[in-house]
Amino acid sequence: AQSVTQLGSHVSVSEGALVLLRCNYSSSVPPYLFWYVQYPNQGLQLLLKYTSAATLVKGINGFEAEFKKSETSFHLTKPSAHMSDAAEYFCAVSEGQAGTALIFGKGTTLSVSS
Amino acid sequence: DGGITQSPKYLFRKEGQNVTLSCEQNLNHDAMYWYRQDPGQGLRLIYYSQIVNDFQKGDIAEGYSVSREKKESFPLTVTSAQKNPTAFYLCASSIWRGDGNEQYFGPGTRLTVT
Repeated sequence: AQSVTQLGSHVSVSEGALVLLRCNYSSSVPPYLFWYVQYPNQGLQLLLKYTSAATLVKGINGFEAEFKKSETSFHLTKPSAHMSDAAEYFCAVSEGQAGTALIFGKGTTLSVSS
Repeated sequence: DGGITQSPKYLFRKEGQNVTLSCEQNLNHDAMYWYRQDPGQGLRLIYYSQIVNDFQKGDIAEGYSVSREKKESFPLTVTSAQKNPTAFYLCASSIWRGDGNEQYFGPGTRLTVT
């Protein structure tokens, strides 16, 4: 069965510092992987997705993630945090069949201090 | 603009009453989903529908019901049998493009039952 583990329910960084949000997955087949961002009382917005075309995926707002099959990881990074990055971030996995639901991690709340 | 609408944004009900949450999409997506979000628990799948007039239970379907009479609409009814209905409810839709079943989310409905 698929599952997603996000290490750290809360991450705090200073403005301008590196952001690293961790995600590990389990899947019996090559997965599709996603990172979503959620601002308070809003829906989820797609940041980026891995679809096997390239292991380093660039997304919106300066975020990127690297797929490492040997580590079953898909960590999200951003070189320099901005105050507007403060939000909740979700990693999700799919085995890619049409119409199947995503499996989400429990989320990581990112706080950015000035 | 294409997108997913959920109404209302906030909903208050008395315990013992059924309540229906609306979800409409104009993206021409085949699949639609309902998730429940509670603090620290991520998103949990309630029901999903791959095509009109067909739907499947997700991980936490007890106390909920859905219908899919039109491609654009996927309403969720929270029945009095749902023991803890207060939560944030998110609707999503997707279309298969061969690249991972990326889901698009609505803005959510926050339901409070007292």
